[in-house]
Amino acid sequence: DIVMTQSPDSLAVSLGERATINCKSSQSVLYSSDNKNYLAWFQHKPGQPPKLLIYWASTRESGVPDRFRGSGSGTDFTLTISSLQAEDVAVYYCQQYYSTLLTFGGGTKVEIK
Amino acid sequence: QITLKESGPTLVKPTQTLTLTCTFSGFSLNTGTVGVGWIRQPRGKALEWLALIYGDDVKRYSPSLKNRLIITKDASKNQVVLTVTNLNPVDTATYFCAHRAQSISGWGTFRYWGQGSLVTVSS
Repeated sequence: DIVMTQSPDSLAVSLGERATINCKSSQSVLYSSDNKNYLAWFQHKPGQPPKLLIYWASTRESGVPDRFRGSGSGTDFTLTISSLQAEDVAVYYCQQYYSTLLTFGGGTKVEIK
Repeated sequence: QITLKESGPTLVKPTQTLTLTCTFSGFSLNTGTVGVGWIRQPRGKALEWLALIYGDDVKRYSPSLKNRLIITKDASKNQVVLTVTNLNPVDTATYFCAHRAQSISGWGTFRYWGQGSLVTVSS
């Protein structure tokens, strides 16, 4: 399996401030034939299904605000929320889909300070 | 418009077998470029991918649960069924099904999800 490790487990950020979540994979998820990182970010709120925010490590899903930014390559990735809004309170997960056996990170809970 | 919906029992006893059905619309599960997966989330814990089935009947299972999972499809009914055997209270979770597809850009991940089905394992 490819193990996905997220940090921190939780963070509290003031409204309007930046939130940064890290994700590390146990092996590279960069596919050499198309030069794409098979890494996604999901937002998960209670009582709702997870919502796809970012795919190919840095491509925002349609309708996702541009304050959400994904970056990184190979084994190290970051999700940045540039200006935290109240509606961004959620748990965020990274997920690799490079392998036929998909895996999620342990999640990062984002709260308002 | 792609939609998925999970259905199944809400309460199951330990050692019993759980059968969950994902009924979908807006796509056909009859080619190898489309798949339906199952993911679960125990309360307060992380998402865990369980299994995937593709339209060409290729199946993938989480190694940690492989011996207890069976995934099947009925493309004519637009349904995917997940069976989990030998249930334990730690299997208490919300179970989601989700759609995955391949485009000209390559394989995507789970873009469309069902609302989830809460299953409690308790005697």
